Amino acid sequence: QKEVEQNSGPLSVPEGAIASLNCTYSDRGSQSFFWYRQYSGKSPELIMFIYSNGDKEDGRFTAQLNKASQYVSLLIRDSQPSDSATYLCAVISQGGSEKLVFGKGTKLTVNP
Amino acid sequence: GAVVSQHPSWVICKSGTSVKIECRSLDFQATTMFWYRQFPKQSLMLMATSNEGSKATYEQGVEKDKFLINHASLTLSTLTVTSAHPEDSSFYICSAWGTGVLSYGYTFGSGTRLTVV
Repeated sequence: QKEVEQNSGPLSVPEGAIASLNCTYSDRGSQSFFWYRQYSGKSPELIMFIYSNGDKEDGRFTAQLNKASQYVSLLIRDSQPSDSATYLCAVISQGGSEKLVFGKGTKLTVNP
Repeated sequence: GAVVSQHPSWVICKSGTSVKIECRSLDFQATTMFWYRQFPKQSLMLMATSNEGSKATYEQGVEKDKFLINHASLTLSTLTVTSAHPEDSSFYICSAWGTGVLSYGYTFGSGTRLTVV
């Protein structure tokens, strides 16, 4: 059973702070890792994907992957109230059209 | 970028009737379509995976005769909820994987809120 675990939160940070979201996965064969943001009542939208160990930065977002420890994290710098959403970690085992396995999501609230 | 158009965005139907949900890839060929269901405050649960021209593969516990999936072309997949009941009320979302997209291949539709009364 492939599992993706996330702290369900809620995680609350003040505006301008760094929000840190964590995810662990059970399948060592996992190759690709995704972070999605989902606003209430909306479908998920892709924030970032990462394949290689290390950090990947895109604007205020940084994804970090450590395959040896089987965890992937998402840092949001200078958090804004508009970042308040549920963040979903998703993993696939191989490249191509493999199905995504989602974590249950972490609800983030950024307080003005 | 890759766009998946999902319709309808919401639907209310009577118990016992059937509802069809469509997902179209607008600017790429969706070789694989994933159908998810999401209940309130829960994560996405994969229902089935369909490849163009093939029968869908259903996840354990999902009734294939109740949730009919058709993926007859590279740009269109449909999910039909047959003989819907109130417990089928949920948020249904499709996700397409395909070729010709600039970003990594998984693109989500906007979702369909189904309410069965």
